[in-house]
Parts: sequence; C-alpha cells; structure tokens
Amino acid sequence: QITLQESGPALVRPTQTLTLTCTFSGFSFTTETVAVGWVRQTPGKALEGLAVMFWNADRRYSPPFRDRVTITRDISSNQVFLTLTNVDSVDTGTYYCVYLDSSDYHVGRWGQGILVSVS
Amino acid sequence: DIQMTQSPSTLSASLGDRVSITCRASQNIHGWLAWFQQKPGKVPRLLIYAASTLENGVPSRFSGSGSGTEFTLTISGLQPDDIATYYCQQYTSNSPIFTFGQGTKLDIK
Repeated sequence: QITLQESGPALVRPTQTLTLTCTFSGFSFTTETVAVGWVRQTPGKALEGLAVMFWNADRRYSPPFRDRVTITRDISSNQVFLTLTNVDSVDTGTYYCVYLDSSDYHVGRWGQGILVSVS
Repeated sequence: DIQMTQSPSTLSASLGDRVSITCRASQNIHGWLAWFQQKPGKVPRLLIYAASTLENGVPSRFSGSGSGTEFTLTISGLQPDDIATYYCQQYTSNSPIFTFGQGTKLDIK
C-alpha cells in the first residue's frame, strides 16, 4: 500500500526558505518509472503543481516557480524534499506530496497535506 | 505552460440531475487528463484518469470523455455525496509539469 506523509514547519517568516519533507512507503526510487511530486493549494490559486522527481533523477519544475523551488531526494530513506526560497504571504497554503502512477503518470496518491503559514 | 480552463466555475443542480463540467486545454493534451473531487478540508480524490478511465472504487455514475483540448466530466444522477469542488488536471509529457483547472464548485439547488 502506498502512503505519503508530509512534514515541516507550520509557520515560516517572510523572505525565509521553506523546507518540506515527504516520507513515503509502498514503493522505491530504485524501481523504474517511479515519480513523486509536490502540489500546493492556496486560497488565491487553487491547486498548483510545483515539482516532480523521477526515478532516474530527472526533475521537472513549474515555470513560475523554477527560480525558487528545488526538489531533492534521499533514496535510502524513502524521502523527497521541497525547498521554496524567499517565501511571501501568497505562499501560505496546504502543501501535498503526491505519487504519480507508473501507468501514465497521473496523480495516483496524495499525502494528507501540511498547512504552512507565512507570517 | 498548458492552461486548463473549467466551466462553469459554480454549478447548482438538483438531486438526480445529470451534471456536466467542461475542461478546455490551451493546447493538445491528447487523452492525458484526470478529474479530482475535493470536499472541504479533505484531500483531493482521483475520480478519472486518461480522460475516461474510472478509478477503482469510484461510483459508475461518474464518467469522463473527450480528447485533444476539450473534456467533460459527467455525473449521471446527482447524489448528496457528490457536493464538492471538481478539478481537472493535464499531465501530458509535452508540458514541464502537470497543471490544474481552477475548479468547479457543485452544490444543490
């Protein structure tokens, strides 16, 4: 069974860097086709994809966030990390870790999400 | 970026109605489209992927259709449990990353 759990700070100050951790189980980056991403939901912009990490270390970023977002991983710990630099109040929202189904890379599983406030 | 536009933004319907939500892509995404249902305070739930494939456990009153740039989610026989916000999402490999529509809020008339 695939599960994902986000963790990180609930409150971040403006201009600081937000770092979130996704700890997952039920799959591994050692398997071809695996991909994990980050999605956020903010009051102003609904749902936004931020970044995706593939099994082969390929990374994809949403163009509006390319300069501020970095996705990394720790294969041995089954973790994926998201860093967002220079945060602002508009970055307040719920951040989700998602598993992309290997059949065609649709979002197949969601973590429970973590609410982050920038203030 | 591929832009996804949903219509309508809000929709009021009666129980038992057939309801349709449209999603248009700014460029051809073939059949790489998913639909999600989200209730307040809850995680989005996958309903349909590959434009028309029903996710396991999703009631058969939900269906999806379309290809290219225009897609439709249909609920045949609206139930009280269907009150939610619905999002479409494109995930074509021609795009840097998947993108979502702005959502359609469905409520009871």
